[in-house]
Amino acid sequence: ETGVTQTPRHLVMGMTNKKSLKCEQHLGHNAMYWYKQSAKKPLELMFVYSLEERVENNSVPSRFSPECPNSSHLFLHLHTLQPEDSALYLCASSQDYRGLYEQYFGPGTRLTVT
Amino acid sequence: DQQVKQNSPSLSVQEGRISILNCDYTNSMFDYFLWYKKYPAEGPTFLISISSIKDKNEDGRFTVFLNKSAKHLSLHIVPSQPGDSAVYFCAASDGNAGNMLTFGGGTRLMVKP
Repeated sequence: ETGVTQTPRHLVMGMTNKKSLKCEQHLGHNAMYWYKQSAKKPLELMFVYSLEERVENNSVPSRFSPECPNSSHLFLHLHTLQPEDSALYLCASSQDYRGLYEQYFGPGTRLTVT
Repeated sequence: DQQVKQNSPSLSVQEGRISILNCDYTNSMFDYFLWYKKYPAEGPTFLISISSIKDKNEDGRFTVFLNKSAKHLSLHIVPSQPGDSAVYFCAASDGNAGNMLTFGGGTRLMVKP
């Protein structure tokens, strides 16, 4: 495996379910990110981790809970979501959080909340 | 309030001609700008970047121009190829505040054979 991988690629869940999205990067990067892309809206940054420490949380509702157990893995735990949370969730990584580095994205998880 | 805007949601160009995609920003603290390309069912792929100390950066068929006074950047693709058909996102960051990207809404480029 190379680059940034995400599982599952598609997820349908009810509003009372609990599920998790997984991201893994094979690039040796130190920073990882979660983004949300809703229909007809720009990508929105949700969370940033640098060396497993959360450095940014962009006013994201608590029903989204990130976890970064090591610099290669990032999870997004989901519980009691709303239909408006249906979106494409993208994970990205970059060499570092500080400095001018491009971010490399995974293919995304298409989430549908019913 | 969108800090990065791509005012053209779509652009259609003939193969072999030049494609010009535009992006405007409002935050004067942005000092690093990137273009990403996205195919359906894939994540965005990094294409080219430019820092605010430059006004042009070139990589093969792709050139990015930065006009700081106008807070405007553009991506030129010459010559355009059908495989370039994708959604193009402009993004910007303030390097002093960390590597957090603010994205534009994207422009769908269609290159006709």
